[in-house]
Formats: sequence, C-alpha cells, structure tokens
Amino acid sequence: IAGITQAPTSQILAAGRRMTLRCTQDMRHNAMYWYRQDLGLGLRLIHYSNTAGTTGKGEVPDGYSVSRANTDDFPLTLASAVPSQTSVYFCASSETGGPTDTQYFGPGTRLTVL
Amino acid sequence: GQNIDQPTEMTATEGAIVQINCTYQTSGFNGLFWYQQHAGEAPTFLSYNVLDGLEEKGRFSSFLSRSKGYSYLLLKELQMKDSASYLCAVIPNDYKLSFGAGTTVTVRA
Repeated sequence: IAGITQAPTSQILAAGRRMTLRCTQDMRHNAMYWYRQDLGLGLRLIHYSNTAGTTGKGEVPDGYSVSRANTDDFPLTLASAVPSQTSVYFCASSETGGPTDTQYFGPGTRLTVL
Repeated sequence: GQNIDQPTEMTATEGAIVQINCTYQTSGFNGLFWYQQHAGEAPTFLSYNVLDGLEEKGRFSSFLSRSKGYSYLLLKELQMKDSASYLCAVIPNDYKLSFGAGTTVTVRA
C-alpha cells in the first residue's frame, strides 16, 4: 500500500509558467488537502476537498486551483507561477474530513520559482 | 485568523525529558493534534486530544487544558531519532486544521 504519492519530488520553474502538482491516494479517503510549508510559518491550507466533485478554499488559495474528478486524485495547479510560490507543498488525506480525522501526508513537492 | 504559538527550538540530551508547549487562540475548538516531522519528510501523526487531561502513548504523552488554551507534548527517554520538528495543530469551528510554526527539537549525545 503506497498511501499518498506526490509528483514531482522537486521542480524548478520559471516565473509565469503553468505547473500542476500531482497527488494520488490509495486509501479510499473521502477528504483531501493541499498545504504549503514555509520556514517560520508552518503548514498553511491552500485548498481542500471533502468528497469527489467538491472543493473549497483554505487560508491561502490565491494563485492556485484544484479539481477532484475522482476519489483518488487531487491535482494542484499554479496557472502562472510567481517567486512567492516557492515552497514545499504537501498533499494530505483523511477518511471523512470530520474534526476527529487524522490527516495522512504525502512526501511533499519542493517547488522553486525563479 | 487562528493563533497558535509554540517555541521555535529546543535542545535536550539523550535519555532526558523535553516538554513542548503549545498555546492557542482559535475560533472554536474541536480538538488538538501533535505531528512529528523529520527534516525533509512528511508530517506523521503522534497524538490527538479533545478532552482535558493527559494521553499517554509509550514514550510520548500529550496534555490538554481547554480552559487555558494550552497543550504540551512530553517526550521521555529521548533518543537521537527523536530529533525532529513537532507541530501543534488545532481544529477550529471550520473543521480545518490550523498549524503552529513547529518546534525543532535537537537531541544531543
């Protein structure tokens, strides 16, 4: 069982380019999340999805979009990357999205925007 | 926004005990998580508290006082592998985890 996989592991991107970070889980969890982690700021929620077909905005959604066409996949797209989007991105999932759920995190994608 | 505070860094000796404090001011409270994150890796679940008191799990314990907006994570019999960041996260009324910036613990021989 792989759990949650993310791709790519790392990426260097020119400003203005479009980029999609991929996330796949095999635990049949209903809820999925995207976070960014920056030094001194901790993990901040970008977007989330409580079930396939629905998405919601987190704390820092600007410049990012997501889709949830099926249970397993939750891609994050940067339409036109900017240097302030340089960060480590973590995808996570939980069983129902309820308040007592444990979230399970993927290995992360390190993104550098130049 | 939510406010979750924890110390930035702590250092302790192998075999010792370290207590990581977390204070929070949030829009409602539905529970508190502690996660461990080794450098370059994903956060992994350590503990969950929703009622006041101490939860013990092997060498790790977590305490919660809802009236004080306070939690701590206690690491006993420290081992070198415990060198990591420890993240405090609170569930406010919107049910979305809100994380503190994390405490980096360094264990020295």
